[in-house]
Amino acid sequence: QVKLQQSGAELVKPGASVKLSCKTSGYTFSTSYMSWFKQIPGQSIEWIGMIYAGDGGTGYNQKFKGKATLTVDTSSSTAYMDLSSLTTEDSAVYFCARYYGGPWDFDYWGQGVMVTVSS
Amino acid sequence: DVVMTQTPPSLSVAIGQSVSISCKSSQSLVYSDGKTYLHWLLQSPGRSPKRLIYQVSNLGSGVPDRFSGTGSQKDFTLKISRVEAEDLGVYYCAQTTHFPPTFGSGTKLEIK
Repeated sequence: QVKLQQSGAELVKPGASVKLSCKTSGYTFSTSYMSWFKQIPGQSIEWIGMIYAGDGGTGYNQKFKGKATLTVDTSSSTAYMDLSSLTTEDSAVYFCARYYGGPWDFDYWGQGVMVTVSS
Repeated sequence: DVVMTQTPPSLSVAIGQSVSISCKSSQSLVYSDGKTYLHWLLQSPGRSPKRLIYQVSNLGSGVPDRFSGTGSQKDFTLKISRVEAEDLGVYYCAQTTHFPPTFGSGTKLEIK
């Protein structure tokens, strides 16, 4: 069955960077798309961007350009998101989700990872 | 960006009742291929979102047929017939017709 396993919670200092991972199993990662999202607790969901594992091609929400960088490692079926120059406004839960071609929706989600930016 | 407006923001219903949630978009969600990429998700408390319905009316795998979706162009509805306790959480509509994908503000369903 399809699974997306995200890395553990992060506590980081302002100005630092953090790299989140999303390890997948149960489907052909190398020909799939992965999207990332931000959710501040109690608020709605924002789409950050997506990456095609086949060639590493990416698309970003303008709001997150320069903040998030998406990459993949097809040898381990893992997607990554780097968040840079963190501020308290980046404190949120971040999710990865498979972007499924055909329906073009987000059919499987990771469990989410809480990133807390605090000095 | 396409704005997705959901109403009501919250609902309180008894087990066995039926409810409807509205989602309206600021632009038509019909893509150039003729398909409509409007989807519904449920985020149960403390959990990640879960796919319910894709492309307006198609049930996700394992989703009970108490859930149904209708609508077209800019106006969409999610209906839950015979609400069960496990249905509580926040329901989101989302569109992937236009770039970037956007989500509604959510409708919180509580059980009386």
